[in-house]
Amino acid sequence: EVQVVESGGGLVQPGGSLRLSCAASGFIFTSYSMNWVRQAPGKGLEWVANIKQDGNEQYYVDSVKGRFTISRDNPRNSLFLQMNSLKVEDTAVYYCVRGDTYHPDFDSWGQGTLVTVSS
Amino acid sequence: QSVLTQPPSASETPGQRVTISCSGGTSNIGANYVYWYQQLPGTAPKLLIRLTNQRPSGVPDRFSGSKSGTSASLAISGLRSEDEADYYCATWDDSLVGVVFGGGTKLTVL
Repeated sequence: EVQVVESGGGLVQPGGSLRLSCAASGFIFTSYSMNWVRQAPGKGLEWVANIKQDGNEQYYVDSVKGRFTISRDNPRNSLFLQMNSLKVEDTAVYYCVRGDTYHPDFDSWGQGTLVTVSS
Repeated sequence: QSVLTQPPSASETPGQRVTISCSGGTSNIGANYVYWYQQLPGTAPKLLIRLTNQRPSGVPDRFSGSKSGTSASLAISGLRSEDEADYYCATWDDSLVGVVFGGGTKLTVL
């Protein structure tokens, strides 16, 4: 069974940092690009970042460029999102999502991890 | 403000057909496949339509997708109470070099 499980969310002050993790299982991790998608409370979906299978190419939404870094550890079937200089508007549930790079064919989603940025 | 525009809400009675629109531009919908997601209350989104008009395994044929120019649509026929959910369109944007989502449409089955 395909499964992705996020962890690492929590409460952080504005300007702080947080690192999200995603553990993948049930599929060949190196065959898939991976993504982070977020959803602010009561709001819609927003794609955050994508990383290709070998980890050598990454794409980001403009609002997080220079602050967030997506990475992966293929031998450990893990995906990460390092979030620095956090802002209040980064408050959201962050989903780890399996999917293509140039097509949002997001067929497997985690349960999400909540990040709250507040003083 | 989302790059893709969806109506914030839609409603219809059980058994009827409803269509949800998604309007974009030449760099996104006009140039790429469209995807649709269903998000039931309190749950993660689920892929409903891929490659503009293909249903993943397990998705009932009551759900269908289409595209014309820079607009796309999701149609749901034979509405059921369990179809009450938020629906999102998504595609790749060649200018933004990233994935864009619509703002979402909350479907109410009356």
